Order: sequence, then C-alpha cells, then structure tokens
Amino acid sequence: DADVTQTPRNRITKTGKRIMLECSQTKGHDRMYWYRQDPGLGLRLIYYSFDVKDINKGEISDGYSVSRQAQAKFSLSLESAIPNQTALYFCATSDGQADTQYFGPGTRLTVL
Amino acid sequence: GESVGLHLPTLSVQEGDNSIINCAYSNSASDYFIWYKQESGKGPQFIIDIRSNMDKRQGQRVTVLLNKTVKHLSLQIAATQPGDSAVYFCAENIGNAGKSTFGDGTTLTVKP
Repeated sequence: DADVTQTPRNRITKTGKRIMLECSQTKGHDRMYWYRQDPGLGLRLIYYSFDVKDINKGEISDGYSVSRQAQAKFSLSLESAIPNQTALYFCATSDGQADTQYFGPGTRLTVL
Repeated sequence: GESVGLHLPTLSVQEGDNSIINCAYSNSASDYFIWYKQESGKGPQFIIDIRSNMDKRQGQRVTVLLNKTVKHLSLQIAATQPGDSAVYFCAENIGNAGKSTFGDGTTLTVKP
C-alpha cells in the first residue's frame, strides 16, 4: 500500500469553483507539504506544516489555503479556482530528522 | 580553473553508457542535498543524498559529487538503463529548516 496517498488523482473543474485536494499518509511523519509542478519547471512550495498546530506559507501561497486535520491528513483548497492554477499538485511528508521528502502520486488539476 | 558542468533541461544517452546530470545550487549556506527521480505519472522519489561535509557519495549505480566552491552538484548514473528514463531533480536544504528548494529538473532519455 502507498505510504502517501492523494485524492482525487485527476480533476477537471471550472473557473470560480472551490476545490479541495486531500492527502493522507501512513508514515507517521509530522511534516507535510503541498507543491505544484508546472510543465518544464521544478516543484514550488505552496504550504507546509510541521505538526497539527503549525501552518506555514510557501513561495506561492496566494489563492490557496490548507488544513491540517490530523497528523496523517493535510488538505489543500482552492477557494475560487482560476485557469492558471492548472497544474500537477504533489503532497509530501518528512520525518524531520532529515529533509528527505516522500511524495504522493500527484493530482492533475485542470481549471477551465 | 575549475570546469563546471552545465545544467541541461534534457539529456539523451545510449543504453549502457554513463550519464551525468548537473545542478547548480543557489545558497552557499545549504548543507544537505538530495537527488530525486520522477518517473512519468509518479511523484518524485529519493535516489541519493549528500551532506556538505562530503564531496562524494556512492550508491548502487549512482554517485553524487558536491563542489561547494562553485555550488555545483552532479549525479552520475553508471551503465544507464531504459528504466532510468525520468526527470531528475536536485534539492538543497539548510540545516533542519524542513524546506527544500528544488532545481528545474533534467529529463533523461535512454535510447536502446
């Protein structure tokens, strides 16, 4: 079974809609991250959380919000989706002992 | 003087040849570096890491070299196989800050 899972795997939505992407992990890690990946580009950090009560903005947090419901769950919301948020979104975890991150399979989001 | 490998967005090699993927990192305070492999349709996966007190580290068929003087990292893959075809990212980290900065990635294609 996958240690980091993301749902949905694919989503097509319309401009202005609210979207939630969910991430769950069974690795027991405290640290969780949300990234977006655009074609030909690396990973850009949206938000990260070091424990349930800790939420931090990354380099591109505008237009996004997150919720850390439990150690194992970290969700990303787009309150009002726009076409330039079309991208591949990855969730990742880290144990905090080293900065190695473990990634989920990604969610492909298309905003029309 | 020192020659530094250029970062190339794409690299094509013949099966069985050795591959060298280069990465220039940005922050001289970075002290922990990771190479990730991202196969099509999947999230990035850890390959190998190196700390700044080392200049070389070897894994199975992979070697990472670190040149702190010119802020350069390289990943060498020996006897490249078709299964090595993927996008390779370097990531730099500072202390235990818990955040990685990712490079733009190099797409490696292995020709049979």
